[in-house]
Parts: sequence; structure tokens; C-alpha cells
Amino acid sequence: DVKVTQSSRYLVKRTGEKVFLECVQDMDHENMFWYRQDPGLGLRLIYFSYDVKMKEKGDIPEGYSVSREKKERFSLILESASTNQTSMYLCASSLIAGATNEKLFFGSGTQLSVL
Amino acid sequence: QKEVEQNSGPLSVPEGAIASLNCTYSDRGSQSFFWYRQYSGKSPELIMSIYSNGDKEDGRFTAQLNKASQYVSLLIRDSQPSDSATYLCAVNVGNTPLVFGKGTRLSVIA
Repeated sequence: DVKVTQSSRYLVKRTGEKVFLECVQDMDHENMFWYRQDPGLGLRLIYFSYDVKMKEKGDIPEGYSVSREKKERFSLILESASTNQTSMYLCASSLIAGATNEKLFFGSGTQLSVL
Repeated sequence: QKEVEQNSGPLSVPEGAIASLNCTYSDRGSQSFFWYRQYSGKSPELIMSIYSNGDKEDGRFTAQLNKASQYVSLLIRDSQPSDSATYLCAVNVGNTPLVFGKGTRLSVIA
């Protein structure tokens, strides 16, 4: 069974902290994505990666960075957390490198609260 | 800026009725269209994809695509309370990642 695992379901951090959100997929997928989901704003793409060591900015990359050192792991980094980064963060993956017309598999999400 | 528009709802239908969910998109070059279902507190899951004009049926679900009018819809026949969820429309252009609409909340009343 396919699986995208996000390391934490709930996370509480303080303003200014450096925050790491981890995502691991066990399906040998090439593509990985980070979205945030806020009420009334829907799913918005933060960063994505079509290959190891490769990363591309999505629609709202400001205040975030990512790391993909291994194919199965895609980390989202909040360099200095701010209250407006309180959100549900969803990681997703898909199979074929660069193909964006295929099914996305989502992790269960991390609800991050920045106080 | 590619846009995908959905009525946020809530859309309320009685059990057994047909639920009709609509989505419009701005980019005429859009090629692939998806409907994801998201239960409260859960992550989205794909229920339908459609790539060419016309209807595509899968069980109680029918996706309809009209590229000339730039809309895609999802019909749910014989709606059940278990269909109560938020339905996300997603659209793809070329090799750019999916753009999601904000979702329509569906409530099926028993």
C-alpha cells in the first residue's frame, strides 16, 4: 500500500524558531510537493521537486525553503517561524518525473501552530 | 496567474438526490482535470480524472468537461451522507503542478 508519511500530526512552535517538517514516501516516486491549506484559501503550493537535489518555487515560497537530499524524503524548512505560517501543511508525491497529470498521494498533514 | 474557481458552498442535498459540483478555470491551455475529495480532518484523495471533452463515469460519479466553456463538473448520483466532504477541483497546464480550487463543501442530509 502506498504511503506518504509526515513526521508530526501536530506541532507547536514559537515565533522565530527554525522549524523542520519532514515527509517520506515509500513508493519510489520522483515528484514531491509541499502545500499549505488554510480555511477559505484552499491548497496553495509552496515548493516542489521533480528529482533529487532539484527544487522549484511554487506560488507562495516566501519564508520557506526545502531540501531533497534523498529521493524518498522532502523536507520543508521555516527559517524563522512567524504567526502567519500557522497552517495545515500537506506533503504529496507522484510517480513520473515532471509529469503533473497524474494522481497525487497526500500525507496525513501537519497542523503547525506558531505562537 | 492560473485560477480555478469553485463555489465554496455549503451545498446541501437530500439523501438519494444528485449533487452537482462545478468548477471553472482560467487557462485555455489546461489539459488535465481532477476531482479530489477531502473529509474533515483528512487529506485529499483522488476520485476522478478527466482529460477530454465529454462525460466520464465511475460508479455513482460522473465528471463532465467542456473545454470551450472552460468548466468541469462532478455529478454524484444517489448521494449518501458518507459523500459529505469538501470537493476540490484541480487543473493542470503543461508540466506545471496542479492548481487547486478552494473547494466546495457538500452536505448530504439524511
